[in-house]
Amino acid sequence: EIVLTQSPATLSLSPGERATLSCRASQSVSNYLAWYQQRPGQAPRLLIYDASNRATGIPARFSGSGSGTDFTLTISSLEPEDFAVYYCQQRSNWPRTFGGGTKVEIK
Amino acid sequence: EVQLVESGGGLVQPGGSLRLSCAASGFTFSSYAMSWVRQAPGKGLEWVSSITVSGGGTYYADSVKGRFTISRDNSKSTLYVQMNSLRAEDTALYYCAGGSSSSGWWFDSWGQGTLVTVSS
Repeated sequence: EIVLTQSPATLSLSPGERATLSCRASQSVSNYLAWYQQRPGQAPRLLIYDASNRATGIPARFSGSGSGTDFTLTISSLEPEDFAVYYCQQRSNWPRTFGGGTKVEIK
Repeated sequence: EVQLVESGGGLVQPGGSLRLSCAASGFTFSSYAMSWVRQAPGKGLEWVSSITVSGGGTYYADSVKGRFTISRDNSKSTLYVQMNSLRAEDTALYYCAGGSSSSGWWFDSWGQGTLVTVSS
C-alpha cells in the first residue's frame, strides 16, 4: 500500500498570504496524484488532478506541482473561503490512498 | 447539474448489515467509474471500494474485503454497497464519488454522504 504523508498537519496563515502544502508518497506514483479541498460540513472537492491540472472551475490561485514521490499544492494568495482541510490522493496503485490532510487555518 | 444522493445509512448493531445506495443524475452514469469513500467522525478520508464503468471490475480496501460488496445498476443510474458483519470501526460518513475519463478517472463528483453508526 502506498502511504501518503502530508505536511504540515496545520498551517496558520492570514488572508492574502501564500500557502504551500506538501504530500510525500512512500513510493513513486508518477503523476497520478490529486488534491481535494474539504470545507467544514461539506463533501470534498477535486482541485488538482494528475499532479498539476486544475479541475473544472478551480481558480488560478491553486496550483500543483511534483512527480514521483514529492508533490506540492500552492495557494498563491489565500481567500477567506480557502481556509479548509486539504487532502492528497493517489491512483497509481490499488488500494487508492489518501493523505492524512493539512488544515489551513486563519492566523 | 451532476448530482449524487446517498441513502440507506443508519444505526446498526455490531455484526449487522446495511445496504447503501447512491442515485445519480445530471450526467451519463454508465461513463463514470464509481467509488465509496468514508470519513470517520473527526478523521480523514478513507477509500473503501471502487467499481469500473461496466461493473466488471471491483476493488476493495483490506479493511472491508470479504465484508462489503460494491455493485451498480447502470439502467437505474445507481451505485450500491452491501455491508455485512459491520464493526464499530465502520462507523463513518459514507460518500459516493465518481469520475470519468475526461477528468482522468479522479473523484470529480461527490455526494453529501450518508451516516452509518455501528453500535450496540
